[in-house]
Amino acid sequence: AQSVTQPDIHITVSEGASLELRCNYSYGATPYLFWYVQSPGQGLQLLLKYFSGDTLVQGIKGFEAEFKRSQSSFNLRKPSVHWSDAAEYFCAVAAGSFGNEKLTFGTGTRLTIIP
Amino acid sequence: DAGVIQSPRHEVTEMGQEVTLRCKPISGHNSLFWYRQTMMRGLELLIYFNNNVPIDDSGMPEDRFSAKMPNASFSTLKIQPSEPRDSAVYFCASSLGRGITNEKLFFGSGTQLSVL
Repeated sequence: AQSVTQPDIHITVSEGASLELRCNYSYGATPYLFWYVQSPGQGLQLLLKYFSGDTLVQGIKGFEAEFKRSQSSFNLRKPSVHWSDAAEYFCAVAAGSFGNEKLTFGTGTRLTIIP
Repeated sequence: DAGVIQSPRHEVTEMGQEVTLRCKPISGHNSLFWYRQTMMRGLELLIYFNNNVPIDDSGMPEDRFSAKMPNASFSTLKIQPSEPRDSAVYFCASSLGRGITNEKLFFGSGTQLSVL
C-alpha cells in the first residue's frame, strides 16, 4: 500500500527566508503526487501536483516542488516566504486504478513564520 | 459558487448520541469524499461517492459509521452511537469527475466534532 512521510512536524522560518518542506513516498508504481495547504480553520487547498513529465512542478503562491524518483521524494520549496504562508502543509500520493484513485496524505508539517 | 459547504462547523455531543454531519458539494461535481483528520492519524479517507454511488468505503472505521448521498447536492455522514475517539475534524471534498488524478479536489471548511 502507498504511504507518505513528512518527517518535519513543525518548521519555523523567518519572513523572506527560503523554505523547503520534505516529503517521502512509498508506492510501487509511478506516483501521482500532490501538495495541499491548510490555513487555520479552513479546508485544504491544492498547491500543485505532479503526474508525469517535467520533474520540477510550479504551483500557486510561488511554490514549486521537485519529484526525485531515486530518492522517493517530492519536496516543496519557496525561495522567499511571506507571513501569509503560515499554515499546515500536506503531501499526498494517489494510487489505484484510473477513476478509482485514493489520496493518501502525510501527517502534515506546520509552518510558522517569524518576522 | 460558494464552494463545498459543511454543517455544522462545530458539534459537541455526549458519548452514545447520534451525530449527523452534512455536506453540499459544488454544483456539477460528480465525486464526493469524506475525510477525517486527527493529530495522531492525519487525514484519512473514509468513503467516496461517484454519481451518488459509494465507490470505496474501505476507510469507514466501524459499522457505527454510515454515509449516504441521496442526490447530487447532498451527503451525510452519520455516527451512531458516537464515542470519544470519534472526536476529530471531518472534511468533505468534491471534484468534477471521477477519480482525483485528473481532477482537483475542493475541500469544505470541516466539522469539528467533540464527543464527551
